[in-house]
Amino acid sequence: DTGVSQDPRHKITKRGQNVTFRCDPISEHNRLYWYRQTLGQGPEFLTYFQNEAQLEKSRLLSDRFSAERPKGSFSTLEIQRTEQGDSAMYLCASSLVQGAGGQFFGPGTRLTVL
Amino acid sequence: QKEVEQDPGPLSVPEGAIVSLNCTYSNSAFQYFMWYRQYSRKGPELLMYTYSSGNKEDGRFTAQVDKSSKYISLFIRDSQPSDSATYLCAMRLNRKLIWGLGTSLAVNP
Repeated sequence: DTGVSQDPRHKITKRGQNVTFRCDPISEHNRLYWYRQTLGQGPEFLTYFQNEAQLEKSRLLSDRFSAERPKGSFSTLEIQRTEQGDSAMYLCASSLVQGAGGQFFGPGTRLTVL
Repeated sequence: QKEVEQDPGPLSVPEGAIVSLNCTYSNSAFQYFMWYRQYSRKGPELLMYTYSSGNKEDGRFTAQVDKSSKYISLFIRDSQPSDSATYLCAMRLNRKLIWGLGTSLAVNP
């Protein structure tokens, strides 16, 4: 399968714990995006990378959130000191740098903070 | 006013019906227009991608963009129960996607 993959698919954690999610983009895609989606809403942009450089972060991304893409391939999103309001689906997408083509999404990681 | 408006539905149609889904937008700077399909508890799946005003067809799906009216549509012909999902419009400005809320569609056998 050459699509975007995410791991884990589901994560249940207790408030205050740290969690880390992984995303593997489509191999030839330079850009990688993280979104958060709650029920009945469209995805909310969190951050994106072009190769290994993190070029933009949303104001939604508090200092408890950090994302990395160390070698320009896979990316990780870490949430420290999780809160119940962090419960959501975390989506990763990838795309080519320029022009035609949309963003291709992975299956998401569903986070539940108890 | 949101930048992208989309009626959340739900929309319920019989199998075989033609479905029309719509979004309006306020920012004339949007460059690209997309429709995604999302099944429950799955990631969005890109269905259609358009740039200019006019129609683009792919199988049973037709995407229509009217930049003068700031209005986009997705038509589904011969709808099937497997088309039951949430359909989200998204519009690209520079590197960001701005999303509608999604329309929930149920196609009844």
